[in-house]
Amino acid sequence: DAKTTQPPSMDCAEGRAANLPCNHSTISGNEYVYWYRQIHSQGPQYIIHGLKNNETNEMASLIITEDRKSSTLILPHATLRDTAVYYCIVRVPSNDYKLSFGAGTTVTVRA
Amino acid sequence: DAGITQSPRHKVTETGTPVTLRCHQTENHRYMYWYRQDPGHGLRLIHYSYGVKDTDKGEVSDGYSVSRSKTEDFLLTLESATSSQTSVYFCAISDHRAWNTEAFFGQGTRLTVV
Repeated sequence: DAKTTQPPSMDCAEGRAANLPCNHSTISGNEYVYWYRQIHSQGPQYIIHGLKNNETNEMASLIITEDRKSSTLILPHATLRDTAVYYCIVRVPSNDYKLSFGAGTTVTVRA
Repeated sequence: DAGITQSPRHKVTETGTPVTLRCHQTENHRYMYWYRQDPGHGLRLIHYSYGVKDTDKGEVSDGYSVSRSKTEDFLLTLESATSSQTSVYFCAISDHRAWNTEAFFGQGTRLTVV
């Protein structure tokens, strides 16, 4: 399985963009990059996913490098409600649908 | 939220007693998962199911068993609860129709073994 590496924590000012990096240097060609977040004591919440192209939705943007070895999740205008643990996951292909979560990045948005 | 219900939401039980947690979905998703979450460990996969009666072990399956007799229900059983199984348990589901779709999580069950 491809593994991911994320910084353990980061701070962000309210109203500013938060850029969350993720390294997945062993990703294979048909594996997608997913981002989830978990707000304190709640179940994880899906944010966005992508294969090779940049993606944007109402919550965030996902930038994947051309070699696909790393990606960045961008929260364009962070709010206090974005304070959470953010998980970067590489989805295992074929018939194995296991989801494997690492330690994630604890993002604290400060007023 | 997707139609996922975990029950009970909170439970306190004694060491050595059996405990069953239930995950019920109304989305008709093929894949269902059980995770546990402990401070400093993030989410760890216990067992997962890829269809009725089809289950497999995750990374922390010792001391747990699962059953899936119908699409909508995935049961997690602790045959003889231990204090090390005190944790928050999350159920998740994902759709089989397109393997790159996201997973949806329940709100969790907080289990305390005393």
